[in-house]
Amino acid sequence: ILNVEQSPQSLHVQEGDSTNFTCSFPSSNFYALHWYRWETAKSPEALFVMTLNGDEKKKGRISATLNTKEGYSYLYIKGSQPEDSATYLCALAMNTGFQKLVFGTGTRLLVSP
Amino acid sequence: SAVISQKPSRDICQRGTSLTIQCQVDSQVTMMFWYRQQPGQSLTLIATANQGSEATYESGFVIDKFPISRPNLTFSTLTVSNLSPEDSSIYLCSAGGGGGTEAFFGQGTRLTVV
Repeated sequence: ILNVEQSPQSLHVQEGDSTNFTCSFPSSNFYALHWYRWETAKSPEALFVMTLNGDEKKKGRISATLNTKEGYSYLYIKGSQPEDSATYLCALAMNTGFQKLVFGTGTRLLVSP
Repeated sequence: SAVISQKPSRDICQRGTSLTIQCQVDSQVTMMFWYRQQPGQSLTLIATANQGSEATYESGFVIDKFPISRPNLTFSTLTVSNLSPEDSSIYLCSAGGGGGTEAFFGQGTRLTVV
């Protein structure tokens, strides 16, 4: 069973702070790494899907990197805003027939005004 | 992309009863996935539902406890049977996520068993 770990478990920052989270995994035997944002009572929303070592993706103030050789991905939020408050999930799409997703436990971010 | 409507959004159920959760997708999808998130735990795959065949269950999940229907390419249900307090969780349905593409999720069902 592949263990996907995320750190920190939770984070409380002030508006305007920049922050980053880590997703670590023991093996590079997966097809893709996904990042999702999950707000309470809403559907998880896809942020990024990365497949190649060294991938870097950016969407507005949020960016992510992938290092498959050392087994981690970073998610960065520049200038956090209260609307960024959510749980951020990473997941590995496995090399199975239907590429099931294996999720980490998530990082809960709270941004105070 | 796909939009998935999931209901109910939340429910409080008595021990020993069952709850059926429905997911409707606005487009045809080959596979749908059902996840559970117990308090403090990660989202864990319960089973994969393919239209026209029996669902494939992950280790630790059985059909008698979590029967799934997939009558067509846009709809699926998950029933959680013989409820106990340990079944109190968030249940999510999903589609997509393969081939380097993003997955789409329902809004989740928060189940509390009393």
